[in-house]
Amino acid sequence: SQELEQSPQSLIVQEGKNLTINCTSSKTLYGLYWYKQKYGEGLIFLMMLQKGGEEKSHEKITAKLDEKKQQSSLHITASQPSHAGTYLCGADSSGNTPLVFGKGTRLSVIA
Amino acid sequence: EAGVVQSPRYKIIEKKQPVAFWCNPISGHNTLYWYRQNLGQGPELLIRYENEEAVDDSQLPKDRFSAERLKGVDSTLKIQPAELGDSAVYLCASSPGNEQFFGPGTRLTVL
Repeated sequence: SQELEQSPQSLIVQEGKNLTINCTSSKTLYGLYWYKQKYGEGLIFLMMLQKGGEEKSHEKITAKLDEKKQQSSLHITASQPSHAGTYLCGADSSGNTPLVFGKGTRLSVIA
Repeated sequence: EAGVVQSPRYKIIEKKQPVAFWCNPISGHNTLYWYRQNLGQGPELLIRYENEEAVDDSQLPKDRFSAERLKGVDSTLKIQPAELGDSAVYLCASSPGNEQFFGPGTRLTVL
């Protein structure tokens, strides 16, 4: 079965700093999804990447997919307190909607 | 547009008691998912429905868990009897295609 490993597990950054979260798959990635979750709430969809080399941005968050490395990265520029939360990557090896998730990366942004 | 609705938001029961969770997906979404999320972990798929048909229930512990989506709209997930290890957040998601929209979840505590 497919497994997704996220690194780091947790991250504390100062407001205004940049940061990167990585997600590595044990199998070929047909689609990689990034979600954000605040404590006690459901997952909020951020971005979906489907093609190798694809890069998408939304506001100050950029995600890239390296198909050969079976890896995706999520980069936040000039972090703000509103970016705090747990970021989860999700994927499905058959190319459909995500059925396997990583354990998440907990991000704290301090003033 | 209303999002995915789940109820109750919180439930505390004693072990061996039954419990049920309800989910109303976004109107028009044919695909419905139930996930279980343990503390510090990513969501794990329990069952996926396409309309009223369960197309993936391989990870549903069928000895105590059951689910139904009779008219292809709302869905109920039941646990009977509950065990201490069932304490988790149960998330429902619906999808019109690739992107999944999550509800806020039901936090279950089994004492």
